[in-house]
Amino acid sequence: EVQLVESGGGLVQPGRSLRLSCAASGFTFDDYAMHWVRQAPGKGLEWVSGISWNSGSIGYADSVKGRFTISRDNAKNSLYLQMNSLRAEDTALYYCAKDVDTAMVGYFDYWGQGTLVTVSS
Amino acid sequence: DIQMTQSPSTLSASVGDRVTITCRASQSISSWLAWYQQKPGKAPKLLIYKASSLESGVPSRFSGSGSGTEFTLTISSLQPDDFATYYCQQYNSYLWTFGQGTKVEIK
Repeated sequence: EVQLVESGGGLVQPGRSLRLSCAASGFTFDDYAMHWVRQAPGKGLEWVSGISWNSGSIGYADSVKGRFTISRDNAKNSLYLQMNSLRAEDTALYYCAKDVDTAMVGYFDYWGQGTLVTVSS
Repeated sequence: DIQMTQSPSTLSASVGDRVTITCRASQSISSWLAWYQQKPGKAPKLLIYKASSLESGVPSRFSGSGSGTEFTLTISSLQPDDFATYYCQQYNSYLWTFGQGTKVEIK
């Protein structure tokens, strides 16, 4: 059974940093690209960042480019999102999502339950 | 960026109704469109990919159609488990984008 378990969310002040993690199991992690997708409270879905199987291809939404860094450790079956210079508008539930191929095809067949990030003073 | 617009934003329907949700892209995305279902407090679930391909395990009452800029998700006979919010998503071009969602409510 595919499982994606996010962690690392919490309450953080504007301008500070936070690192999210996603632990994957139930599939061959290094056979698939992975993504982060977020959902602000009561709002819709927004793709944040994606990474190919070997980290050779990485992408970011314009809203987070230059502030967020995605990475993965295939030996640990883990995906990460380093979030710097956080803003109030980054407040959201952050989902880890599995792509359907090694490259970033761009749609997501499995999602975690999310970790909540709240940016507030 | 490609903008995705869903209509309606909210839909009231009864069990057994045929329900259709529309998604329009701001430019052609061929058939590179997915549909997701999200229930309150839960993660989204993939229903349809490549505009009309049913994800494994998804009931056959769900179907998708369209290409280019106009797409539809149809539920042939609405079931109690189907009351949820539905999102379309384009994956034609990098900077993948979602529609704003359509909430299907009990009438």
